[in-house]
Amino acid sequence: GQNIDQPTEMTATEGAIVQINCTYQTSGFNGLFWYQQHAGEAPTFLSYNVLDGLEEKGRFSSFLSRSKGYSYLLLKELQMKDSASYLCAPSEAGSYQLTFGKGTKLSVIP
Amino acid sequence: DTAVSQTPKYLVTQMGNDKSIKCEQNLGHDTMYWYKQDSKKFLKIMFSYNNKELIINETVPNRFSPKSPDKAHLNLHINSLELGDSAVYFCASSQDPQYYGYTFGSGTRLTVV
Repeated sequence: GQNIDQPTEMTATEGAIVQINCTYQTSGFNGLFWYQQHAGEAPTFLSYNVLDGLEEKGRFSSFLSRSKGYSYLLLKELQMKDSASYLCAPSEAGSYQLTFGKGTKLSVIP
Repeated sequence: DTAVSQTPKYLVTQMGNDKSIKCEQNLGHDTMYWYKQDSKKFLKIMFSYNNKELIINETVPNRFSPKSPDKAHLNLHINSLELGDSAVYFCASSQDPQYYGYTFGSGTRLTVV
């Protein structure tokens, strides 16, 4: 089984930086996914980390610490369109499924 | 060129009815899934098929029955619909989820009245 913990809601200002944390406990950990889900839409892939460290992709970066069971998603230069839910999903080696955290609803305000 | 397509997008029906949701993927993936997202936005797995074989069957009422005629299609049939079945149902596919994650369909919003 897996335990995945992420904050339920966050609010940040347009142009600012926000960090969304995720802690997990999983057996046979392989890597960690972040998905973005806008209201009324399907989740879409943002990032996948398998090695420790920070991976940057434009305004979005994702960090992983395997030993600490910890990841974060960093969003820079926030835009209104970044208002969405962000889902953390650790993957298990040999597993056919992903288990998702309950998601962090991010509201970007002017 | 939709990768994972679900129909219908919206479904409003009365309690007690039977309904089906269809899903098709053109990505050549071996594995397909049904997830339910409730009003609290929690995504929970229901079923998974790998190459037409049922591999994940979570604790869901047996009123829900998945069917996979081939590896590109996974349908969900629901009998005797109840109010609590109202949710968004997402289909997804993957070649190897531990490395590649999922591609999701656009979802079917089911409302039971």
